Amino acid sequence: NAGVTQTPKFQVLKTGQSMTLQCAQDMNHEYMSWYRQDPGMGLRLIHYSVGAGITDQGEVPNGYNVSRSTTEDFPLRLLSAAPSQTSVYFCASSYSGTGVGNTIYFGEGSWLTVV
Amino acid sequence: GNSVTQMEGPVTLSEEAFLTINCTYTATGYPSLFWYVQYPGEGLQLLLKATKADDKGSNKGFEATYRKETTSFHLEKGSVQVSDSAVYFCALLNNAGNMLTFGGGTRLMVKP
Repeated sequence: NAGVTQTPKFQVLKTGQSMTLQCAQDMNHEYMSWYRQDPGMGLRLIHYSVGAGITDQGEVPNGYNVSRSTTEDFPLRLLSAAPSQTSVYFCASSYSGTGVGNTIYFGEGSWLTVV
Repeated sequence: GNSVTQMEGPVTLSEEAFLTINCTYTATGYPSLFWYVQYPGEGLQLLLKATKADDKGSNKGFEATYRKETTSFHLEKGSVQVSDSAVYFCALLNNAGNMLTFGGGTRLMVKP
C-alpha cells in the first residue's frame, strides 16, 4: 500500500515551459486535491475532484489545469510556468471529501522552482 | 472569507518544556478545526481535531480546545520531546465541507 505518490519530487522549469505533476493513490479514494505551500501562507487549495470525470476549482486555480480520467490519478498541469508558481505542491486524497469524518492523506510534496 | 492566523516561528524549546502554539480564526458559522503536523520531508498528518465549541481534541500528548468566544484553537503539550520537532498547521473546514483553510504554519524545534 503506497498511499499517495507524487512525482517528480524536485523540478526546475524555465519561465513559459509547461509540465505535469503526477499524483496517484492506491486506496480507492474518491476525493483528490492539489495544494500549494508558500512560506508564511500555509497550504492553499488549487483544484479538487470528487470522483472520476469531476473536477472543481479551489482558492488559487489560475495557471493550472487538472483532469480526473481514473479514480487513481489526478495530474496537475502547469500550462506556462511563471516564477510566481515556485512553490511546494502537495497532492491529497480521502475516501469522500474533507469533511470531519474523513482522514486526508497527503503525498510527500513536489518542490518546483521556476526561473 | 475564512482565514487562520498562527504565531510565527520558529519556536525553540528545550526537551520537557511546555508548548503553546497560538491559533485564531475568522469564519462564518461554526467550522470544524484541525491541527496538522508536517515532519521533515513528509506530507501533512492529522494531529487532532474538534468539531464544536468547547470540544477538546487530543492526540500524542497534544491538546487543543475549541474556544468560540475567542475564536481560538491553541495547541498545547505539557512536555515536548526532540521527536516533536516539526511544522504545525492550524486549519478550519468551511461550512460546505469541501475546503480546508490553513494557517501559515509554525516550526517547532526541540533541543535535547
